[in-house]
Amino acid sequence: AQSVSQHNHHVILSEAASLELGCNYSYGGTVNLFWYVQYPGQHLQLLLKYFSGDPLVKGIKGFEAEFIKSKFSFNLRKPSVQWSDTAEYFCAGREGNTPLVFGKGTRLSVIA
Amino acid sequence: NAGVTQTPKFQVLKTGQSMTLQCAQDMNHEYMSWYRQDPGMGLRLIHYSVGAGITDQGEVPNGYNVSRSTTEDFPLRLLSAAPSQTSVYFCASQDPSFTEAFFGQGTRLTVV
Repeated sequence: AQSVSQHNHHVILSEAASLELGCNYSYGGTVNLFWYVQYPGQHLQLLLKYFSGDPLVKGIKGFEAEFIKSKFSFNLRKPSVQWSDTAEYFCAGREGNTPLVFGKGTRLSVIA
Repeated sequence: NAGVTQTPKFQVLKTGQSMTLQCAQDMNHEYMSWYRQDPGMGLRLIHYSVGAGITDQGEVPNGYNVSRSTTEDFPLRLLSAAPSQTSVYFCASQDPSFTEAFFGQGTRLTVV
């Protein structure tokens, strides 16, 4: 079955530290990949998405992700996190017109 | 433009009661879906619909019914609530080219 896995359950970083959250997928064909963020008490918001073309995707709020087909990975990165980045981050994937499948999420806590 | 609207935002049910979670979108999207979010489990697909009159099961459909009589509405029915259905429920719709999923604000359901 198609699946998306996130390596880290909870990440704690100090402000200004660099961030990398792992995401792997198991799709065999053409895959669409997404990163969503959920701030406390809110709904999911799209950070960035990959459909085709440049494997380095830039999103909102300084986030970026790199699609590495050979590694089945789509890791999320940010050079310098802020306290306001504290949230839960979800990787999701889809193949064709199938429903979005989500990873289990990574909770990011940024401390001063 | 309201996007995806879910009601109610909060609900407490007694075991065995039934209820309907409402979801409406005003973007004329054909594709809609229901997810439940549980700690450490990410978002799991309950049911989805690719258009009026067409629905299909997701990963965790047991105990839930859906129907899609109009493009705008996609209600989720709990037939006989159980404590295991305590969760946060999100409705989503996707644009025709499937480039993004838009989420409602969520319904926090507690079954006692």
